Amino acid sequence: AQKITQTQPGMFVQEKEAVTLDCTYDTSDQSYGLFWYKQPSSGEMIFLIYQGSYDEQNATEGRYSLNFQKARKSANLVISASQLGDSAMYFCAMREVNNNDMRFGAGTRLTVKP
Amino acid sequence: DTAVSQTPKYLVTQMGNDKSIKCEQNLGHDTMYWYKQDSKKFLKIMFSYNNKELIINETVPNRFSPKSPDKAHLNLHINSLELGDSAVYFCASSQLAGGLVTDTQYFGPGTRLTVL
Repeated sequence: AQKITQTQPGMFVQEKEAVTLDCTYDTSDQSYGLFWYKQPSSGEMIFLIYQGSYDEQNATEGRYSLNFQKARKSANLVISASQLGDSAMYFCAMREVNNNDMRFGAGTRLTVKP
Repeated sequence: DTAVSQTPKYLVTQMGNDKSIKCEQNLGHDTMYWYKQDSKKFLKIMFSYNNKELIINETVPNRFSPKSPDKAHLNLHINSLELGDSAVYFCASSQLAGGLVTDTQYFGPGTRLTVL
């Protein structure tokens, strides 16, 4: 069964606007971690932000914030003030306490328009 | 200095050949991983090593064999390459093994393998 679901294959946003990339997950563990990675066209995978299941506050890192809704099992990435350099694939991932590995979603391709 | 490095960045080879991809991390991490990213960008774990010991071995053909000479290196050797092996292979590392959900993985630049 798919553990991480990203329902938006592609998204467009105007430069300087905010955008939300959706991620829902499925787990029966109480302890888990949620991660977002960015993959620009150059191909590398860049870690952006982390949210722990027990964290009461939403994670923030600069222009990135994670809208964590535990009851809905969603961990959406919000990018504020989009820049052209934000155009990339974005992957949501989850690590469960009872698993050694990290599971990735299918990704969302974000395009920032000038 | 690059935290997680892989060589080569591009690898083009004929079907049936044997090839290796090397990975090194200078982050002092205990755990290293190999992922395969297919043409649809789907990322799937293949192997994980913790302190030179195999801890994850997903269902991959036994033509793929990881080798970890020390905890800073994890190489991937592929025998008898097939067309379906064409993909981008990522190495990653993290501080600890499983059981710690905060353990962030840091990725190398990837190796694009093309099998002709």
